[in-house]
Amino acid sequence: GAVVSQHPSRVICKSGTSVKIECRSLDFQATTMFWYRQFPKQSLMLMATSNEGSKATYEQGVEKDKFLINHASLTLSTLTVTSAHPEDSSFYICSARGDSNSPLHFGNGTRLTVT
Amino acid sequence: ILNVEQSPQSLHVQEGDSTNFTCSFPSSNFYALHWYRWETAKSPEALFVMTLNGDEKKKGRISATLNTKEGYSYLYIKGSQPEDSATYLCAFHSGGSYIPTFGRGTSLIVHP
Repeated sequence: GAVVSQHPSRVICKSGTSVKIECRSLDFQATTMFWYRQFPKQSLMLMATSNEGSKATYEQGVEKDKFLINHASLTLSTLTVTSAHPEDSSFYICSARGDSNSPLHFGNGTRLTVT
Repeated sequence: ILNVEQSPQSLHVQEGDSTNFTCSFPSSNFYALHWYRWETAKSPEALFVMTLNGDEKKKGRISATLNTKEGYSYLYIKGSQPEDSATYLCAFHSGGSYIPTFGRGTSLIVHP
């Protein structure tokens, strides 16, 4: 089956630093990748949708300058949390899809803790 | 904002019990419904892709039905086993949008 690799799985950083999270599709070409954030006991909240070679589309309320998304190739998308603050501490998970009729393939997620 | 609701939020059953839970979604402009299983420390895994009213899908002891006219899907697990313990997510796709909207999930715990 399709595999999506997400790294790192866990990161602790100091307030003010930036953190980059990678999402790779290992055995298929992902035309679309989605980045989600999950708050405790909440559903997956879509942050942004990225298509290879184009700018990401951010959901309302998500700061694009804060959460930089790059989808430079059909197998790699990155999310950079810039100038992280404690309120950015959360679980971030990416998913990828080959075509619009396919289900999503998820990474394992990244637990970010900002101290 | 699309309203996708899952119930119950959590469920505890004994090994061998059969169980079911619900995903409700807008009944208009339906395109597809996906079910995922999310085990602890793993990534969500797709179970079913459902597109037609009346669809019934089955994978082993797990099956799902779809009613697009009334806007709900049921997931059934027959003879639950401890390894079925996971959060089950549904994701609704409306026509014209390729972006899924997820429910909060149903957390299932199967006690041996």
